[in-house]
Amino acid sequence: AQSVAQPEDQVKVAEGNPLTVKCTYSVSGNPYLFWYVQYPNRGLQFLLKYITGDNLVKGSYGFEAEFNKSQTSFHLKKPSALVSDSALYFCATTKAGTALIFGKGTTLSVSS
Amino acid sequence: DAMVIQNPRYQVTQFGKPVTLSCSQTLNHNVMYWYQQKSSQAPKLLFHYYDKDFNNEADTPDNFQSRRPNTSFCFLDIRSPGLGDAAMYLCATSRATESNQPQHFGDGTRLSIL
Repeated sequence: AQSVAQPEDQVKVAEGNPLTVKCTYSVSGNPYLFWYVQYPNRGLQFLLKYITGDNLVKGSYGFEAEFNKSQTSFHLKKPSALVSDSALYFCATTKAGTALIFGKGTTLSVSS
Repeated sequence: DAMVIQNPRYQVTQFGKPVTLSCSQTLNHNVMYWYQQKSSQAPKLLFHYYDKDFNNEADTPDNFQSRRPNTSFCFLDIRSPGLGDAAMYLCATSRATESNQPQHFGDGTRLSIL
């Protein structure tokens, strides 16, 4: 069965420091992987996706993610965190059709 | 801007009183989804429509139903809400059923049960 795991419930970083939010996957075949962000009382916003090709994927708001097949990981990264990046982040993959399978989510807190 | 709009943003209903949540989209996407999300947990897919074709998740309670009268609108009906149905309900769309297409979410309706 397709699944993703986010091992950290919470990540805390200081503003200006690099951030990493971790995601590992268990997918048969070629994985389709996504990152979404959710601000309080809002829906999910798509950040980026990996389908195939370049292992470094660039997305919205300066975020990027690195696909690592040997480690079955798809970690979300940003070189310099902003306080406004504080939110709930979900890694996801898809099962048959387009249904998204989400990780449990990681709360990112960026302190000023 | 093209978007997914959910109304109302907040809905309060009484235990056992039917309630309908609505979703509209200006993206002209074929697929519309309904998710249930409880307090900072991952969203859980309830069902989705591909055009008029309805696809129910195996573990979605019978209490939850949906209607899609046209491409732009989709409704979630909860026939007899229980306290456990209090949650955020998210509507999403995608262009097609290819698994590599991102989904576009509305801002959700937060449902409270009295």
